[in-house]
Amino acid sequence: DTGVSQNPRHKITKRGQNVTFRCDPISEHNRLYWYRQTLGQGPEFLTYFQNEAQLEKSRLLSDRFSAERPKGSFSTLEIQRTEQGDSAMYLCASSPTGDQPQHFGDGTRLSIL
Amino acid sequence: AQSVTQPDIHITVSEGASLELRCNYSYGATPYLFWYVQSPGQGLQLLLKYFSGDTLVQGIKGFEAEFKRSQSSFNLRKPSVHWSDAAEYFCAVAWQGNFNKFYFGSGTKLNVKP
Repeated sequence: DTGVSQNPRHKITKRGQNVTFRCDPISEHNRLYWYRQTLGQGPEFLTYFQNEAQLEKSRLLSDRFSAERPKGSFSTLEIQRTEQGDSAMYLCASSPTGDQPQHFGDGTRLSIL
Repeated sequence: AQSVTQPDIHITVSEGASLELRCNYSYGATPYLFWYVQSPGQGLQLLLKYFSGDTLVQGIKGFEAEFKRSQSSFNLRKPSVHWSDAAEYFCAVAWQGNFNKFYFGSGTKLNVKP
């Protein structure tokens, strides 16, 4: 169990640029989740995959956000035309099938200049 | 509406003292309850969980939590706090029938005085 891995750990970009984050879940976990955490708040659910299927998306996930998990293993989260309000920690989590706790990565901190 | 409340934003305790962090949830469905801990710049680590059965659950690092359905609460406790426990603690809830979406409280930041 090598844990959930997220890259990069930090991303600084200018407003209007596109960014992409990667998440590698624990290898035997078929469920993968993305959350956003702003300063002083708990994580907020963004989206959830079971294998390669994206089964639920939050209303927080505007049309500038897209997430994929093409082969049911790693996932990417892309933000297009970044805005100041996108500055946050983006957390990825994974879990096995069934009612099991989610295991979190260390997150990608996004800063918009 | 589904929500999780952690009423204490910051708590400071002396090393060796006992600790209780409060968590309340609202909604009518059967809850699955969790406590996570987050150190600065890190992800969340699961401390303990409650699904069913005994309402007092034991977790890692000497933490325990008690589910009280009548009070819609799941408070986290530790009898003797160590300096290494300083971190932010998050309560989370998932609901029966929608387990994949976790709802988190806004967190309680714990400071430990030497």
